[in-house]
Amino acid sequence: KQEVTQIPAALSVPEGENLVLNCSFTDSAIYNLQWFRQDPGKGLTSLLLIQSSQREQTSGRLNASLDKSSGRSTLYIAASQPGDSATYLCAVPHTGGGNKLTFGTGTQLKVEL
Amino acid sequence: SQTIHQWPATLVQPVGSPLSLECTVEGTSNPNLYWYRQAAGRGLQLLFYSVGIGQISSEVPQNLSASRPQDRQFILSSKKLLLSDSGFYLCAWSVQGAYSPLHFGNGTRLTVT
Repeated sequence: KQEVTQIPAALSVPEGENLVLNCSFTDSAIYNLQWFRQDPGKGLTSLLLIQSSQREQTSGRLNASLDKSSGRSTLYIAASQPGDSATYLCAVPHTGGGNKLTFGTGTQLKVEL
Repeated sequence: SQTIHQWPATLVQPVGSPLSLECTVEGTSNPNLYWYRQAAGRGLQLLFYSVGIGQISSEVPQNLSASRPQDRQFILSSKKLLLSDSGFYLCAWSVQGAYSPLHFGNGTRLTVT
C-alpha cells in the first residue's frame, strides 16, 4: 500500500526566503507526482505535475523535482511571498494503476512580512 | 476552459438526516469524477471514483453512496448521517485515461450535529 509523507508538517519563514518542501513515498512504481496548494477552507489548486520520465518541472517561482528511485520529491519556492501562505500537498497515483491519488498530509506554510 | 462547481459550500445537518451534495463539470466531456473527504487532522481520502455514467467505484466502506446520473454530474448521498460523516468534501475531475492531473472544486464543509 502506497504511503506518502510530507516533512515538515508546518513551516514559518520570513518573506523573501527560498524554501524547500519535502515529499516521500514508499512505492517507487509511480507514473507521476502532483503538487497542490490548498488555501484555508478551499479546494485544491494543482501547481505542478511531474511525469515519471521527468526529473523536474518549473512554473514561475516554483520548481518541483522527482527522484523515483529514492521515493522523494521536493517543491522549491523561490523568493517566498505572504501570498504563498497555504498548505502544500503532494500526491501520487494508487499502486496498481488508474488516476486515483494517494495524498500526503501536507505542509502548512506561513510566509511572514 | 473547464470549470467545476460544488454546492452547497457549507452545510450543517443533524444526525440521522439525509445528505445530497452535488458536483458538476463544464467545458469537457466524459471526465473521470472523484469524491474525496478531508477530515480534521487527516489527509484526503478517496471515497468514490467514476469513469462514466452509472459507473461508480467505492474505495472505502462507509455510510455514503455516489451516483452519476449525467456525464458531468456527480452526487454524494447518505440516507442517515452519522457524526463521523463530518468533514470537508471535495469533488474533482480529470480527463479520461490514466495519470492526468486532477482538478478540484471548492469543497463542501459538512458538520453533523
